[in-house]
Amino acid sequence: GENVEQHPSTLSVQEGDSAVIKCTYSDSASNYFPWYKQELGKGPQLIIDIRSNVGEKKDQRIAVTLNKTAKHFSLHITETQPEDSAVYFCAASLYGGSQGNLIFGKGTKLSVKP
Amino acid sequence: GAVVSQHPSWVICKSGTSVKIECRSLDFQATTMFWYRQFPKQSLMLMATSNEGSKATYEQGVEKDKFLINHASLTLSTLTVTSAHPEDSSFYICSAPTGTKGDTIYFGEGSWLTVV
Repeated sequence: GENVEQHPSTLSVQEGDSAVIKCTYSDSASNYFPWYKQELGKGPQLIIDIRSNVGEKKDQRIAVTLNKTAKHFSLHITETQPEDSAVYFCAASLYGGSQGNLIFGKGTKLSVKP
Repeated sequence: GAVVSQHPSWVICKSGTSVKIECRSLDFQATTMFWYRQFPKQSLMLMATSNEGSKATYEQGVEKDKFLINHASLTLSTLTVTSAHPEDSSFYICSAPTGTKGDTIYFGEGSWLTVV
């Protein structure tokens, strides 16, 4: 089955700096890659997603890149702010979101220091 | 605003009792919902796929008789933890696909279960 590896497990940056989180997946059939932000005691919040027919997607300070050949995708947060501090999870889905479940990475705890 | 809602947000129950957690899709129909379990400082682990009008599909190692799932309508799935034990204490989260193409997955707010 699908396996998703996520690095780093913890990341500390200074406010205003950029943060990059990387994930790799094992099954080349995966075609949907969302990123979630989870604050303590809350459910995951979808922040951005990308599908296998797109190489890059951007939404304000957040961007995601996908390299299908290498089977890895990355989350880029620019101009980080203290409120970006949270645990971020990447995920991969084999059949697209409507029919397949999500396989999650282990998460990255991001700390943004003011 | 939230597109998937869970209730209750937190619940404490005694060992041996059963507790039900509800997951509702707001303003959209979900023929499929997913139930996850998350331990502190760990990732989300898929427990089962809830299918409207049919039996749920359980992941390997998840006891279907202990974690009863019912998806009786297109907007509601329930997870019942039967004969709860302290080791069942966890954060339970549901999700459902929606979006313009019906293939973006949103999560509920989660439900904290503590078994004492």
